[in-house]
Amino acid sequence: QLQLQESGPGLVKPSETLSLTCTVSGGSISNTNYYWGWIRQPPGKGLEWIGTIYYNGKTYYNPSLKSRVTISVDTSKSQFSLKLSSVTATDTAVYSCARQVGWGHWYFDLWGRGTLVTVSS
Amino acid sequence: QSALTQPPSVSGSPGQSVTISCTGTSSDVGSHNRVSWYQQPPGTAPKVMIYDVSNRPSGVPDRFSGSKSDNTASLTISGLQAEDEADYYCSSHTSSDTLMFGGGTKLTVL
Repeated sequence: QLQLQESGPGLVKPSETLSLTCTVSGGSISNTNYYWGWIRQPPGKGLEWIGTIYYNGKTYYNPSLKSRVTISVDTSKSQFSLKLSSVTATDTAVYSCARQVGWGHWYFDLWGRGTLVTVSS
Repeated sequence: QSALTQPPSVSGSPGQSVTISCTGTSSDVGSHNRVSWYQQPPGTAPKVMIYDVSNRPSGVPDRFSGSKSDNTASLTISGLQAEDEADYYCSSHTSSDTLMFGGGTKLTVL
C-alpha cells in the first residue's frame, strides 16, 4: 500500500523559505504512470495547486506561485520536495503531497495527511 | 489563474439528488475532458470521486456521477445520504498544462 508522508518545520518566519519533503513508501517514485504534486489549503479555505513533478525532474507550476516555488525529486531517497521563498502570512496553510495519475489524466488519487505550516514571527 | 467557480453551498434531504456546478473557461473546463471532483469531509484529506469528467474510481458508489457541457462541469449525487455531507471541489487541467481547483462547495444533508 503506497503511502505519502509530509515532513518539515511547522513554523516559518516571514520573508524566509518554506521547505517541505514528501516521502513515498510502499511503491516506486519512479513509476512512469504517476506524477507527484503539492497542494495547499489555508485554514477554512479551498484547495490550491502548487505544482507537480515527474520522476525525471520535469516540473509544472501554478503561474501565481511560479516565481517563488521550486519542486525537486530525489529518486534515490524516494522523496520529492517543495521550497517556497519569501513567505508571508498568506502562505499559512496545510500543505499536502499527493500522487497524480499520469498519461494526461491530471487528477490526484492518493494524498498524504498534510502538514500545517504557519508563517509568523 | 483564477479559481473555477462553484456555488458556496448546496443542500438536500436524504434520498434526494443534488447537483454541484463548476464553471470555467474555454482554456480549462471547456478545452478537454480532464475534470475531476474531490470529496473532503472535515479534517480529512480529499478523495477523488470522479475523474475525466464522468469516470468513477473503484469503490466510489454509482450514486456519484459527472458530466460536462461547454465550460461547465457538474457533479450529481443521487440518493443523498448523511455520509455525503462534506466539501466538494472540482479541478481541471488547463491548456497551459497547469491545474486549477474550484473554490469548493459545502454540501449539507438536511
